[in-house]
Amino acid sequence: GAGVSQSPRYKVAKRGQDVALRCDPISGHVSLFWYQQALGQGPEFLTYFQNEAQLDKSGLPSDRFFAERPEGSVSTLKIQRTQQEDSAVYLCASSKGNAANEKLFFGSGTQLSVL
Amino acid sequence: SQQGEEDPQALSIQEGENATMNCSYKTSINNLQWYRQNSGRGLVHLILIRSNEREKHSGRLRVTLDTSKKSSSLLITASRAADTASYFCATDDPLGRTGGGNKLTFGTGTQLKVEL
Repeated sequence: GAGVSQSPRYKVAKRGQDVALRCDPISGHVSLFWYQQALGQGPEFLTYFQNEAQLDKSGLPSDRFFAERPEGSVSTLKIQRTQQEDSAVYLCASSKGNAANEKLFFGSGTQLSVL
Repeated sequence: SQQGEEDPQALSIQEGENATMNCSYKTSINNLQWYRQNSGRGLVHLILIRSNEREKHSGRLRVTLDTSKKSSSLLITASRAADTASYFCATDDPLGRTGGGNKLTFGTGTQLKVEL
């Protein structure tokens, strides 16, 4: 596609529900990142994929968070047993390669509200 | 954790004025990038400056980098109402301390408001 696409745009979940957030990166992009952005803050790194390999998941806040990219394209971020502190915007980004000077292309994010 | 701290947190100026935002970071870098985020949208890349560069220009944007002070500044000249957005600096991870690749660590952002 023309850009990084994320769905849903908004998600409201009751505390304890599981949610799944989808990211369609730019076609052919090797690297894919998930970030969490709290209101008024900068994006915080969650996890990184190079093709289908999850090379870094150091930013995932708990074992309730799980991400996958099984075919090296679309990625899903799953949050189990959601808590109120999970409320945030979840941003997906992709880049063409994995060099240090690559720029990231971001989706518009999924705004998750946990009630 | 946030690598960079932007200063000021918020900036309000009149259209036509210049806007300057500063970023400080903590560890060594290969590159520093600036991104812009409109309300409710994703981030958009503006400009990249390498660690061996001191200044870079792109249209109305001017970026400086001082690696000895671990700081960067973004200057927007002749600002327009459409420049209203949040601006973030982002640094890479050259030593692979946190997984490597081209993972970026973002600062806390400067919220710029340009009034007519």
